[in-house]
Amino acid sequence: DTGVSQNPRHKITKRGQNVTFRCDPISEHNRLYWYRQTLGQGPEFLTYFQNEAQLEKSRLLSDRFSAERPKGSFSTLEIQRTEQGDSAMYLCASSPRAGVTDTQYFGPGTRLTVL
Amino acid sequence: GQQVMQIPQYQHVQEGEDFTTYCNSSTTLSNIQWYKQRPGGHPVFLIQLVKSGEVKKQKRLTFQFGEAKKNSSLHITATQTTDVGTYFCVISNFGNEKLTFGTGTRLTIIP
Repeated sequence: DTGVSQNPRHKITKRGQNVTFRCDPISEHNRLYWYRQTLGQGPEFLTYFQNEAQLEKSRLLSDRFSAERPKGSFSTLEIQRTEQGDSAMYLCASSPRAGVTDTQYFGPGTRLTVL
Repeated sequence: GQQVMQIPQYQHVQEGEDFTTYCNSSTTLSNIQWYKQRPGGHPVFLIQLVKSGEVKKQKRLTFQFGEAKKNSSLHITATQTTDVGTYFCVISNFGNEKLTFGTGTRLTIIP
């Protein structure tokens, strides 16, 4: 399967703990996006990368959140000192080219539950 | 930032009935996309509309972009159980491609 993959699929953590999620985009896709989706809502944009450069961050991305894409391939999203409000599905998506509006291919997501 | 509103929020239809969801924006859009998300699944791209008044069809699905490029609709003819899910209209800005999802319409089918 050559789609977007995300690990882990589920994460349960206690409030105050740090968590890290990984996204592997479709091979050779330049752009990688992170979204957050809470129950009953549509996905909300968090941040995106073009190759290894992080080009935009949403106001939703507080100082406790950090994302990296060190070699322009996979990406990680870390949440420090988790809060119950961080409980959500974290979706990763990738698209092949820059400069045009391309289809974004979503991964299965990581469901985070903060107790 | 740009936002899009969708109506209805929920729709329950008998299998075989038609279904329509509407998407409205207060500003002119450069393009609009539609995604489908099955229960427990992730969003899957359906189509993109760019031109004023554009109509595209995919089997039983008909997508339309308004003449003023401020609204769009998705119509499903003779719904089937496989159509269950939430349909999102989605806007993006040429250049950064971040997606802004509408509020979504959740379709359930009564067999």
